[in-house]
Amino acid sequence: GNSVTQMEGPVTLSEEAFLTINCTYTATGYPSLFWYVQYPGEGLQLLLKATKADDKGSNKGFEATYRKETTSFHLEKGSVQVSDSAVYFCALSGGDYGGSQGNLIFGKGTKLSVKP
Amino acid sequence: GAVVSQHPSRVICKSGTSVKIECRSLDFQATTMFWYRQFPKQSLMLMATSNEGSKATYEQGVEKDKFLINHASLTLSTLTVTSAHPEDSSFYICSGTLAGGGTDTQYFGPGTRLTVL
Repeated sequence: GNSVTQMEGPVTLSEEAFLTINCTYTATGYPSLFWYVQYPGEGLQLLLKATKADDKGSNKGFEATYRKETTSFHLEKGSVQVSDSAVYFCALSGGDYGGSQGNLIFGKGTKLSVKP
Repeated sequence: GAVVSQHPSRVICKSGTSVKIECRSLDFQATTMFWYRQFPKQSLMLMATSNEGSKATYEQGVEKDKFLINHASLTLSTLTVTSAHPEDSSFYICSGTLAGGGTDTQYFGPGTRLTVL
């Protein structure tokens, strides 16, 4: 079945450091890929998404590229801020039928702490 | 926009009682709502998918008689944990998708922490 594996945290960085959170997936067909972020005390928010191979999703300085050849969707940011401290979830939907089916499959989440 | 609320945010109950959790889409109509549960340091696991006006579709291994889902309107879905036991203690999260907006993007509520004593 479809699955998502992301690097375990917690990840602790200093402000302005470079961030990479690895995410790989297993799916047949052509899933859509997502990164969600959960700030303390809040619900998950969509950070970015990509719906087909080689697409790059980007938002708030974060970006991730849909790599079908490596089945990866790594999240990157060139310079993190204290306000980026949150839990980040990689997720996929769809796949077998070439489009979204609505059901999201999540990775376990990676907690990021950014120190001033 | 696309805000989802959940009530209550936290509930503690005795074993054997039932607990109802509400999920509301505040500024949009959600034709489909999803219910997830999240154990500590685990990913969100989909429990069920509900469409307004029809019966919920439960994921394998989720007891439909224990986790009653009602999606009576385009802005409200409820999850009732019946005869709760300590192993039902978890973080329950709902999400909704925009009516006519495709099913790629889900908007999540802040979650409800259930503790069963």
